[in-house]
Amino acid sequence: QKEVEQDPGPLSVPEGAIVSLNCTYSNSAFQYFMWYRQYSRKGPELLMYTYSSGNKEDGRFTAQVDKSSKYISLFIRDSQPSDSATYLCAMSGGLNAGGTSYGKLTFGQGTILTVHP
Amino acid sequence: NAGVTQTPKFRVLKTGQSMTLLCAQDMNHEYMYWYRQDPGMGLRLIHYSVGEGTTAKGEVPDGYNVSRLKKQNFLLGLESAAPSQTSVYFCASSSSFRPNTGELFFGEGSRLTVL
Repeated sequence: QKEVEQDPGPLSVPEGAIVSLNCTYSNSAFQYFMWYRQYSRKGPELLMYTYSSGNKEDGRFTAQVDKSSKYISLFIRDSQPSDSATYLCAMSGGLNAGGTSYGKLTFGQGTILTVHP
Repeated sequence: NAGVTQTPKFRVLKTGQSMTLLCAQDMNHEYMYWYRQDPGMGLRLIHYSVGEGTTAKGEVPDGYNVSRLKKQNFLLGLESAAPSQTSVYFCASSSSFRPNTGELFFGEGSRLTVL
């Protein structure tokens, strides 16, 4: 069983739709949760990060973390064709009893999203 | 503003050949990483470095070696390439001041095919 599970999709939605992307994880040591966006044939770029449980909003994007359920989500409101990309969730243990994780991330498989006009 | 630069961007090897991927960053970051990305597998950490002259194994280190002789460069070597190493390789770097916030800066990837 992988530490982080993400539905690879693909997901196709019309412009203006609300998109929900999700990941589940099994390692309770994860404290930092990130969403990366990766355009075709490019490297991933950090979209949002949250620490521990809660919500974080940035424009049309909202990230939610529920540590009790080991479940994280990314919502995209008023989706645009420019949002078409692969979305990767990633997690890190942060500073812990074993020492720093040095920024090492565990990634989900990525969800391919297409927003069509 | 180059950020993280990977060379070469594409390479085709025959089984058993060797090669080196070069990663260079101009952000003065302490930490550097090599990941591989395969369909359905996400990004998996191969090796990483927390400073000049240091390297450590990641999740999938077998068949790869790395070196960090200069702070700005991180080299990934394949001594005897195998078809299972066909993948897209990403180098990334991050600041030592905020290593655990997920702020990794990635290069554009190097596509390697092993025949």
